[in-house]
Parts: sequence; C-alpha cells; structure tokens
Amino acid sequence: KAGVTQTPRYLIKTRGQQVTLSCSPISGHRSVSWYQQTPGQGLQFLFEYFSETQRNKGNFPGRFSGRQFSNSRSEMNVSTLELGDSALYLCASSLSTVSYEQYFGPGTRLTVT
Amino acid sequence: SQQGEEDPQALSIQEGENATMNCSYKTSINNLQWYRQNSGRGLVHLILIRSNEREKHSGRLRVTLDTSKKSSSLLITASRAADTASYFCATDATGNDMRFGAGTRLTVKP
Repeated sequence: KAGVTQTPRYLIKTRGQQVTLSCSPISGHRSVSWYQQTPGQGLQFLFEYFSETQRNKGNFPGRFSGRQFSNSRSEMNVSTLELGDSALYLCASSLSTVSYEQYFGPGTRLTVT
Repeated sequence: SQQGEEDPQALSIQEGENATMNCSYKTSINNLQWYRQNSGRGLVHLILIRSNEREKHSGRLRVTLDTSKKSSSLLITASRAADTASYFCATDATGNDMRFGAGTRLTVKP
C-alpha cells in the first residue's frame, strides 16, 4: 500500500498570506489528523476528520481550518499567516480514530517570513 | 497542550546497550502509543498498548503501562545506531484528541 502523502513538502510564505496543505491518506483509512510540530511547543494536535466531519479540534485559532473530501483526502488551510506559524505540519491517517495506530506522512515544512 | 512528559529528555548509549525511556501522563486514557521520529521527518508507529494491558512486546521493543501511576516505559534492547531518533509517547482519552509528549532524543553511538 502507498503511504500517506503530503504536498507540498516545503513552502515559503510571507506574513499575511494564506496557505493550503494537502494530505492523501492510506487507501481505506477514513480518519485523517493534522499536527503542528515546532521546537518550542512540540507536537500539537490541530484537528481530526472522519468521513468528511471534523471530530476533534485542538486549541488553535480560527485561522486554522481544514476539511476532508469524500475520498478521505484532506486539506488544511491557514489564513493570515504569522511568523509563529512556521512549523512542520504532519498529517496522519488511521483506520477509524486516533485510538488506532496512526500512519504519518513526511510533513510539510512551512516557513513564514 | 501536551499530555505526556518523557524522561529523560536526551539519552546517549553505546550500540548493544539497552535504552529505557519513560512517559508520564496526567489524565485517564484509552490507549498509549509510542512513535519514533528521525530528524524532522514523519513519525513511525512503534507500539500501541491499551489501558487494560500491562506489557507488550514487539521485536526488540518492550512497553509497560502502569495506569495507577499514569506512566509507561519503552525499552529498546540491544540498540543499534539506526535506533538513533526521537521517541514520543502519545495518549488519547474518550472524546479527546491525541496528545504527544515532548519526546526523548536517543543517540546510539557505534
């Protein structure tokens, strides 16, 4: 089976811009979760989607949003980028929920200047 | 916010030695999972232990869970240079998201 793929792998944006990141889960996986990883805050949960519905949301401002499509592919969007949004954004898929083992993609490295 | 705390933050050992990492968490959980991350890449799932389990093995890995102490340990036996990575514990509770600890940075010297 192909693994979780994320596009793009690297991204440089300017403050105030918006960005959309994409994640394709493993075939058959219906749950997709997003995480932000920074040296200071570590790995933080952004949100989880299951069957196109957001099931859980972490403690992030409304500038962070996401969605899931009928084929389980997911996108996350960050509007009005801030310097502090620079991070590695990781997507993970699992069969059902976060209670199952999650398979992570390689991540998208976002740099905001 | 982070749920788990790994201890130690960093660990350096020689090839062939065993490595033990600990994780403590704050609230009751459904499951606890251990993941490995190499140099800012994606995480790799190592092992999942459910709240009603006390010990689990997978190859050179041994995980224990003590729910009364809200702690878990990961033992890697006969370590190899390729085991050099960061190791994270992650917990989830009913209705909650997956929460990761800050991680233990393991260095295995050849």
